[in-house]
Amino acid sequence: ETGVTQTPRHLVMGMTNKKSLKCEQHLGHNAMYWYKQSAKKPLELMFVYNFKEQTENNSVPSRFSPECPNSSHLFLHLHTLQPEDSALYLCASSQDLGLTGGDGYGYTFGSGTRLTVV
Amino acid sequence: GQNIDQPTEMTATEGAIVQINCTYQTSGFNGLFWYQQHAGEAPTFLSYNVLDGLEEKGRFSSFLSRSKGYSYLLLKELQMKDSASYLCAVPPPYDYKLSFGAGTTVTVRA
Repeated sequence: ETGVTQTPRHLVMGMTNKKSLKCEQHLGHNAMYWYKQSAKKPLELMFVYNFKEQTENNSVPSRFSPECPNSSHLFLHLHTLQPEDSALYLCASSQDLGLTGGDGYGYTFGSGTRLTVV
Repeated sequence: GQNIDQPTEMTATEGAIVQINCTYQTSGFNGLFWYQQHAGEAPTFLSYNVLDGLEEKGRFSSFLSRSKGYSYLLLKELQMKDSASYLCAVPPPYDYKLSFGAGTTVTVRA
């Protein structure tokens, strides 16, 4: 148990489907992040939320739509994805937007959702 | 970007030592992180260096040279469970978001 839970762990979807990824953290963190992890590539930051407000959209295509109803939950809504969107999608949280303090350093990550677009 | 560079793969024998290097370029330094990620699992925090020198934490140590833009993670007395990907990460100057290297996959063989 990492303290950040992501569901589902695996998802296969067609290019015309609509699905959502869910992330939940019970660490009392205020900031939450979506990262995309493709094979042999660095983690790519997609979105940042702080106190439920989106503070960054890293030029992500509109077929990815984030939602943050409260500081503990983060969603990533998916529609009309492409095969190249297949990747591991990681959620992370931190105490604040700063990298130190609180209960530790840096981010706490979830185990990710392995997404395959067919 | 932060131009974070680390080797793609390394292989070592159980009980041996492996050193994973990471070089970075940044106009302002705000610390360097190492994370461990087992296949199919979450990246987990290993170390944070903000000052030059070596920090030891059990079998794992992390070194930083800010003047050289260089860090390494040293894994000693390797165990099979140490087979994982090791990610080097640096936040941009005056920023909070972590930029990651592509990761180094370490395979420990019996």
